[in-house]
Amino acid sequence: AAGVIQSPRHLIKEKRETATLKCYPIPRHDTVYWYQQGPGQDPQFLISFYEKMQSDKGSIPDRFSAQQFSDYHSELNMSSLELGDSALYFCASTTRRRGPSYEQYFGPGTRLTVT
Amino acid sequence: QKEVEQDPGPLSVPEGAIVSLNCTYSNSAFQYFMWYRQYSRKGPELLMYTYSSGNKEDGRFTAQVDKSSKYISLFIRDSQPSDSATYLCAMKGAQKLVFGQGTRLTINP
Repeated sequence: AAGVIQSPRHLIKEKRETATLKCYPIPRHDTVYWYQQGPGQDPQFLISFYEKMQSDKGSIPDRFSAQQFSDYHSELNMSSLELGDSALYFCASTTRRRGPSYEQYFGPGTRLTVT
Repeated sequence: QKEVEQDPGPLSVPEGAIVSLNCTYSNSAFQYFMWYRQYSRKGPELLMYTYSSGNKEDGRFTAQVDKSSKYISLFIRDSQPSDSATYLCAMKGAQKLVFGQGTRLTINP
């Protein structure tokens, strides 16, 4: 079965640079979530989109922005990168067409290293 | 205080043992309760979910939810070395999923 695809899998950036992370949800999933997971930490919710509209916002810094496109893929844009942004960034997808979206399926993550 | 508390472990048990993983929470609005398994450098994999209080069994795994005590558990029977991973509980009310800290579990052959 198709899973959530994230690209790139690894990314190395310098401080103050920008980065763009991409997420391709499972086919027919209309909802995308972004999470940040620091070393030894649990995933922290950043932001979510449903049908291309932002649906919920968590602890996402103002330096970050995200959007969901007409094909339901999503991009997380990160600017003015800081050392503390180094983490695993996960995307998860689900569909709300059958009711509450409690089953979130995670992608393999993008490991961002800021030097 | 975090909304969801989970003992980070590490927890190490011999193969074949019964494993009990637990989480407590403070937000009464949580209605959906999930357990994820995460292998090193991989994304969390949904293991089980339950709605409200009760038990749910799937093979060697049993999830229990006690909303009156705000306590959830995951039991693993006949544990295998391949069960070695970090187990994260997660809960949600409206939309946002809140994770526990994760328990690192090692099953020794």
